[in-house]
Amino acid sequence: NAGVTQTPKFRILKIGQSMTLQCAQDMNHNYMYWYRQDPGMGLKLIYYSVGAGITDKGEVPNGYNVSRSTTEYFPLRLELAAPSQTSVYFCASIRDRSFGNTIYFGEGSWLTVV
Amino acid sequence: AQSVTQLGSHVSVSEGALVLLRCNYSSSVPPYLFWYVQYPNQGLQLLLKYTSAATLVKGINGFEAEFKKSETSFHLTKPSAHMSDAAEYFCAVSEGGNRDDKIIFGKGTRLHILP
Repeated sequence: NAGVTQTPKFRILKIGQSMTLQCAQDMNHNYMYWYRQDPGMGLKLIYYSVGAGITDKGEVPNGYNVSRSTTEYFPLRLELAAPSQTSVYFCASIRDRSFGNTIYFGEGSWLTVV
Repeated sequence: AQSVTQLGSHVSVSEGALVLLRCNYSSSVPPYLFWYVQYPNQGLQLLLKYTSAATLVKGINGFEAEFKKSETSFHLTKPSAHMSDAAEYFCAVSEGGNRDDKIIFGKGTRLHILP
């Protein structure tokens, strides 16, 4: 049981390049989330999904896209990378919204846009 | 919409002293509340979570938090700080039970332990 797996762990992008951050979970969780973490700003929700085929915007969705074709995978796409997207990205999942369900996080992806 | 405020982006305590990290939330319905810890260059680990069973919640590593509805607070405490407690701590809230629910995190509090 690997939990939530994110790849890559580190990546440097040039301005205007595109890339996809991969996220997979093997716990059959319905809910998945993408957060970005900036110093002193905590975690900001980018996008989330309540199940396969359903995605919703979070607090800071601009510049990103997601898809959820299966329960297991929830990739985050950056189409035209900008320096403001330099951040640490965390994928997370939760089984359902029953009370007190624990959020499981991936280990993070450190992205630098230069 | 729900929100979380953590008072103090940095908190310093001496080793052996009481740790108190403050969290206040805003929610239109009874909330779910969590505390997470993040060590340098790592992901987030769950410390404890609030369920309706008890207002005083005990977590790992000797931490506990008390849910106070009247104060809309969920402060994290530990009686005696240890050097290994130095990390960043995040409070999170969700309203649960509805499709549009999000899990919102506070900005975090970095805990420094003084020898």
